[in-house]
Amino acid sequence: DSGVTQTPKHLITATGQRVTLRCSPRSGDLSVYWYQQSLDQGLQFLIQYYNGEERAKGNILERFSAQQFPDLHSELNLSSLELGDSALYFCASSATSGGSRETQYFGPGTRLLVL
Amino acid sequence: GESVGLHLPTLSVQEGDNSIINCAYSNSASDYFIWYKQESGKGPQFIIDIRSNMDKRQGQRVTVLLNKTVKHLSLQIAATQPGDSAVYFCAENIAGGNQFYFGTGTSLTVIP
Repeated sequence: DSGVTQTPKHLITATGQRVTLRCSPRSGDLSVYWYQQSLDQGLQFLIQYYNGEERAKGNILERFSAQQFPDLHSELNLSSLELGDSALYFCASSATSGGSRETQYFGPGTRLLVL
Repeated sequence: GESVGLHLPTLSVQEGDNSIINCAYSNSASDYFIWYKQESGKGPQFIIDIRSNMDKRQGQRVTVLLNKTVKHLSLQIAATQPGDSAVYFCAENIAGGNQFYFGTGTSLTVIP
């Protein structure tokens, strides 16, 4: 158990809908990272938040957004969902601002299925 | 994004044998590398890391080797056990950046 928690575990929704995925980092960790894992693309970095502020952006679509709250939990919002958004979404956390000083610890993921 | 690739997408080994999983990375500015293990239905789990000022690091039954000259990383698992069956990813971090780039993974199957 990495100490990172994610809810829900599974989510089934329809195209065009909006969903929110939730992540709580390990106790004391200030950074939260979101990743998308699909069968044909592996793990793709979406976005990082550090202590409430956006720190780094990867391959995140404009339909997706995230935020980190004062208690350091984070939410990933996915809107106008398309079939291709079906994937596993992972959250990871690290102690401070990230980079070459820090290991990222992953949560169990949320499996999203868009029908 | 950067290219982090694995030479073999699948690997089958006999229980008790040693396993070697390879990874090539493309950016010579990468200075931190992690190996993750992902079991079915679970998130990636940290196994071992190595910084670019080292060429070898050992953990419990695992060893990571880094060859910066050819930009190659390997994970060696000693006395492979059925519980080692999983997908293994290498990830690289470029100095000064926060983003990790992951390879597509190698699926390791341990035959009892």
